[in-house]
Amino acid sequence: QKEVEQDPGPLSVPEGAIVSLNCTYSNSAFQYFMWYRQYSRKGPELLMYTYSSGNKEDGRFTAQVDKSSKYISLFIRDSQPSDSATYLCAMRRETSGSRLTFGEGTQLTVNP
Amino acid sequence: DADVTQTPRNRITKTGKRIMLECSQTKGHDRMYWYRQDPGLGLRLIYYSFDVKDINKGEISDGYSVSRQAQAKFSLSLESAIPNQTALYFCATSDSARLNEQYFGPGTRLTVT
Repeated sequence: QKEVEQDPGPLSVPEGAIVSLNCTYSNSAFQYFMWYRQYSRKGPELLMYTYSSGNKEDGRFTAQVDKSSKYISLFIRDSQPSDSATYLCAMRRETSGSRLTFGEGTQLTVNP
Repeated sequence: DADVTQTPRNRITKTGKRIMLECSQTKGHDRMYWYRQDPGLGLRLIYYSFDVKDINKGEISDGYSVSRQAQAKFSLSLESAIPNQTALYFCATSDSARLNEQYFGPGTRLTVT
């Protein structure tokens, strides 16, 4: 069983919709949670990261962590066609140094 | 100019050939990583290096080797390529003071026939 599970989609929404992307994980030692965005034929780029539980907002993006449920989410408000990409969650244990464990990514298309 | 560059961007090779993928960075980061990305499996760590003299195996290092020639250069070799090494390969870097932030190169698409 994978340590991090992420529904690969694809997910298709109309422009302006609120998008919810999610990951679940099995290892309670994960303390840091990241979201990366990957455009087609590009490398992943970091969107935001959070530590432990709680919410973090950055513009139209909100990351949410529920450690009790081992569940993390990324919400995108007022989605735009330029948000069309694959979104990967990643996690890190305090004791793993800089090693990250990634989900397989969710492919999102925002239709004009 | 890109901060993390990878060469080549695309490569087709035959089974049994030796292949080297190269990564260079201008970010001044001390840590460098090699990942492969496969559909349904996501990004998996092959090797990582904390500095020139510190190289570590990741979760899928069999069939691969690496060399850290300088702080800014990290190369990945496939000594004898096999078809199931067909994948997208990414190099990444990070700073030891900012462990949650990894910066990725554009990727190398490798096909082994």
